Amino acid sequence: DTAVSQTPKYLVTQMGNDKSIKCEQNLGHDTMYWYKQDSKKFLKIMFSYNNKELIINETVPNRFSPKSPDKAHLNLHINSLELGDSAVYFCASSRQAETQYFGPGTRLLVL
Amino acid sequence: AQSVTQLDSHVSVSEGTPVLLRCNYSSSYSPSLFWYVQHPNKGLQLLLKYTSAATLVKGINGFEAEFKKSETSFHLTKPSAHMSDAAEYFCGGGGTSYGKLTFGQGTILTVHP
Repeated sequence: DTAVSQTPKYLVTQMGNDKSIKCEQNLGHDTMYWYKQDSKKFLKIMFSYNNKELIINETVPNRFSPKSPDKAHLNLHINSLELGDSAVYFCASSRQAETQYFGPGTRLLVL
Repeated sequence: AQSVTQLDSHVSVSEGTPVLLRCNYSSSYSPSLFWYVQHPNKGLQLLLKYTSAATLVKGINGFEAEFKKSETSFHLTKPSAHMSDAAEYFCGGGGTSYGKLTFGQGTILTVHP
């Protein structure tokens, strides 16, 4: 009964490809997030959705497009992957602005 | 604007000795502050959270942190390190109603036998 789950856990792909990462939470939270952790372990928020509505959209290339089909899911689609997109992507969820619970991460490697 | 700075990128201690991981914050308003731990190839796990109820916050695994407004600090401590504490620790702060968290750069804790 994983609280926040992400698929896939590992993703290796070629430059220029399009890929998606899925996130699901079973905590009944209304807010979900995507974070990027770069090679230096620096964690930065990318997006946040509250009740399926986009509320935080940091300076992220348009190639990244989040989609929230319902409150329990927040997927991240990345078009035209670049070498610099290689990172660990974490999904998180919370109830309003309370404590955020993180998924295990998706390790993306772009070759 | 909210920012969080972790003062040490790497801390090394011997098993059984105290742990101190330092975090300073800057904020124009009362923050909520967190410490998360990340073990190798794992996600982030919440250690503890400050939300102005008490300045000394106790977390899991024997960790605690003290909020000091005069020093704008939220340092993480543990009286006696255990080998299983070896991990990377992130201090984070949030100050908006949308739950936007700003993280520090992380501190790698190494515990020697």
